[in-house]
Amino acid sequence: KAGVTQTPRYLIKTRGQQVTLSCSPISGHRSVSWYQQTPGQGLQFLFEYFSETQRNKGNFPGRFSGRQFSNSRSEMNVSTLELGDSALYLCASSLVTGVSYEQYFGPGTRLTVT
Amino acid sequence: LAKTTQPISMDSYEGQEVNITCSHNNIATNDYITWYQQFPSQGPRFIIQGYKTKVTNEVASLFIPADRKSSTLSLPRVSLSDTAVYYCLVGDPGAGSYQLTFGKGTKLSVIP
Repeated sequence: KAGVTQTPRYLIKTRGQQVTLSCSPISGHRSVSWYQQTPGQGLQFLFEYFSETQRNKGNFPGRFSGRQFSNSRSEMNVSTLELGDSALYLCASSLVTGVSYEQYFGPGTRLTVT
Repeated sequence: LAKTTQPISMDSYEGQEVNITCSHNNIATNDYITWYQQFPSQGPRFIIQGYKTKVTNEVASLFIPADRKSSTLSLPRVSLSDTAVYYCLVGDPGAGSYQLTFGKGTKLSVIP
């Protein structure tokens, strides 16, 4: 079974631009979560989607948004990029079993804002 | 989600058993304890999850005392490839939320 895929793997953007990242979960997984990882703040939860609905949202500004499609694929958008948005963005998918926190993470998208 | 505390770093020689302890004093009744492993430039990988006593799988063991205020991840006979950051998380997966809070983790360095 194919793992979680994220595209693109690397991205360089200029301050003020916007960016869209894509995540394809493992087949059959309906929950998709997004995380931002930086050396200073570590891994921080952005939001989680389940059946095209956002179920949870972390403490990030409104510039960070996401959506999920009917095939469970998800996109994350960051508008008006700031230098501090440079990070590794990770997507994770899971079966919603209610008894496990087992999530499968993708390789991430490395975003650099200049 | 309950706050967790774990050592920032640990060193171990190859072939030794490594025990990483996580403190979670305000763990709730329905909370489970979950450990993840992360290699540089990769996403975290689920290692093990438990509720009480002991859980063992092909990779690690998880020891949870009766009061559940701490837990210990045990890695038997570590190798260089076990060098990674290990995260302890506490929460209730039955709450229908996958909002995982990762702390700073423990950076394990395995020395030849």
